[in-house]
Amino acid sequence: NAGVMQNPRHLVRRRGQEARLRCSPMKGHSHVYWYRQLPEEGLKFMVYLQKENIIDESGMPKERFSAEFPKEGPSILRIQQVVRGDSAAYFCASSAGTGRGEQFFGPGTRLTVL
Amino acid sequence: QQQVKQSPQSLIVQKGGISIINCAYENTAFDYFPWYQQFPGKGPALLIAIRPDVSEKKEGRFTISFNKSAKQFSLHIMDSQPGDSATYFCAAPTDSGYALNFGKGTSLLVTP
Repeated sequence: NAGVMQNPRHLVRRRGQEARLRCSPMKGHSHVYWYRQLPEEGLKFMVYLQKENIIDESGMPKERFSAEFPKEGPSILRIQQVVRGDSAAYFCASSAGTGRGEQFFGPGTRLTVL
Repeated sequence: QQQVKQSPQSLIVQKGGISIINCAYENTAFDYFPWYQQFPGKGPALLIAIRPDVSEKKEGRFTISFNKSAKQFSLHIMDSQPGDSATYFCAAPTDSGYALNFGKGTSLLVTP
């Protein structure tokens, strides 16, 4: 599968727990973006990463959320002490160059906080 | 964050008709305007995109029209089919130019 891969596809957490979402970009892509989609809403940009660097995190909430894209392995979006308002679909996209071009999206992780 | 305003919110078109979705944007650092198609439970799929050195781009039944002076662009779906029923999102670059700001989406239903 040459597409963007995300796992898990569905994640259920209780309030206060941690959620870890993983994203493997398309082969040959070194730029990763995370977006959040609330019900009946468009996608909201959260963070843009290259290998080992956070380039733009202007859309990331200041607390409880963090992201990384290590030299080896997938990109991870981490949400600590989840609250019900974090329930959403989280999408990862990747591109071959900077965001000034085509971004290809994964199938998303649907997070439900009980 | 820059705003992207998309209309209509929902659209019903008969099979064979033309579907038209409009978007307006504010100033962007970079000129690149894509449209994405999303089916329920799936991720957005890149449908067509334009870099406004041209005012129109056509791929099959899908056409983007771009008006740079008005900061508007639109998606036209010709000969609409029931399989086109999906949610469509327009997007424009963020202030930094690295990522995308999306419209709120248009839910399209094409009736047989």
